Amino acid sequence: AQSVTQPDARVTVSEGASLQLRCKYSYSATPYLFWYVQYPRQGLQLLLKYYSGDPVVQGVNSFEAEFSKSNSSFHLQKASVHWSDSAVYFCALSMPNSAGNKLTFGIGTRVLVRP
Amino acid sequence: AQTIHQWPVAEIKAVGSPLSLGCTIKGKSSPNLYWYWQATGGTLQQLFYSITVGQVESVVQLNLSASRPKDDQFILSTEKLLLSHSGFYLCAWSGGGAGAETLYFGSGTRLTVL
Repeated sequence: AQSVTQPDARVTVSEGASLQLRCKYSYSATPYLFWYVQYPRQGLQLLLKYYSGDPVVQGVNSFEAEFSKSNSSFHLQKASVHWSDSAVYFCALSMPNSAGNKLTFGIGTRVLVRP
Repeated sequence: AQTIHQWPVAEIKAVGSPLSLGCTIKGKSSPNLYWYWQATGGTLQQLFYSITVGQVESVVQLNLSASRPKDDQFILSTEKLLLSHSGFYLCAWSGGGAGAETLYFGSGTRLTVL
């Protein structure tokens, strides 16, 4: 069965510092991979997605992620964070051609950006 | 542009009472529609999906039901709420064919069952 692991439940960084959020997946083939962000009391917004091709994908708000098949990872990065980046970040995968396009989510990483 | 609207924004209900949550998608014909549930402080689980009017597939059994009465509308309901139903309910849509895997979520409904 597929799974997503986000090993860091909470991350605290200072404004202007770089940010990396880790995501490891378990799946027998190459899945579709996503990062979503959830701001307080809001729904999820798509940051970026990976289907195939260039392993580095650019997303909104200067986020990028790198897919590594050898490491089964899809880490999210941002060079310089702003206080408004404080949110919960979810990594998710779906299986190509799966019924219902079911997304399997990690538990999320709560990011706090200190001014 | 496509928009997704969920209602209500929040509900406080008693155990044993009925529930109906709704979601409407505008600007996209024949979308795939989904219901997800997020327990407080937890991750998200897919509950239902629908690829066409009148057809709904259940993914997780939580004593809830879903219906798609119109192409742009998805309803989540139950006749008797349980304490375990508390949480955040998110409706989502995706297109058909290529790119169907990318889900776009609504702003959610926060449900508190007392």
